[in-house]
Amino acid sequence: GEDVEQSLFLSVREGDSSVINCTYTDSSSTYLYWYKQEPGAGLQLLTYIFSNMDMKQDQRLTVLLNKKDKHLSLRIADTQTGDSAIYFCAGGGRGEKLIFGQGTELSVKP
Amino acid sequence: DAGVIQSPRHEVTEMGQEVTLRCKPISGHDYLFWYRQTMMRGLELLIYFNNNVPIDDSGMPEDRFSAKMPNASFSTLKIQPSEPRDSAVYFCASSPGLGRFGQYFGPGTRLTVT
Repeated sequence: GEDVEQSLFLSVREGDSSVINCTYTDSSSTYLYWYKQEPGAGLQLLTYIFSNMDMKQDQRLTVLLNKKDKHLSLRIADTQTGDSAIYFCAGGGRGEKLIFGQGTELSVKP
Repeated sequence: DAGVIQSPRHEVTEMGQEVTLRCKPISGHDYLFWYRQTMMRGLELLIYFNNNVPIDDSGMPEDRFSAKMPNASFSTLKIQPSEPRDSAVYFCASSPGLGRFGQYFGPGTRLTVT
């Protein structure tokens, strides 16, 4: 079945760039998404990319999509302590379902 | 809009008791999803509805779990009887249909079954 894989942890220094990676198996997703979850909160949609795009930039966020390798990445420029959270990538499964990765916990050290 | 509303935010109950979790989706959203999140299993989709009709309940763990959506503005997830392994955070999400808007998540209900 569909699967989405992410590394579990990433630690960076404040001001550095963070790159969170994701691989997926189902290439039929029209959209791919990045969500952010802060402690004690629900998931919040950060950004998305349409499947016929290679890159999308949204302020400090850059999403790269390599359809050949089924690889998605999220780059956060000038990472701040407020960016510390768990980041989930997600792709469309069957119908309206989303398949989520396990989440990458980003720790930003001052 | 206030976003997706869930109640209660926290629930502590004893094994064997009935638990009912509630969700109010964003007005105008046709899809409603129930998820469960645990450290061990991550985020799992339990069931989702379209226009109040259950479409896919393949993620519901067993017969102890049931979900209803009597109208477009309200859904419940019931566990009867509850067991300690049901302890998790339960999220409700709604969507106008997959596209660039994705799904909007509520704040979750943290359930502890002792």
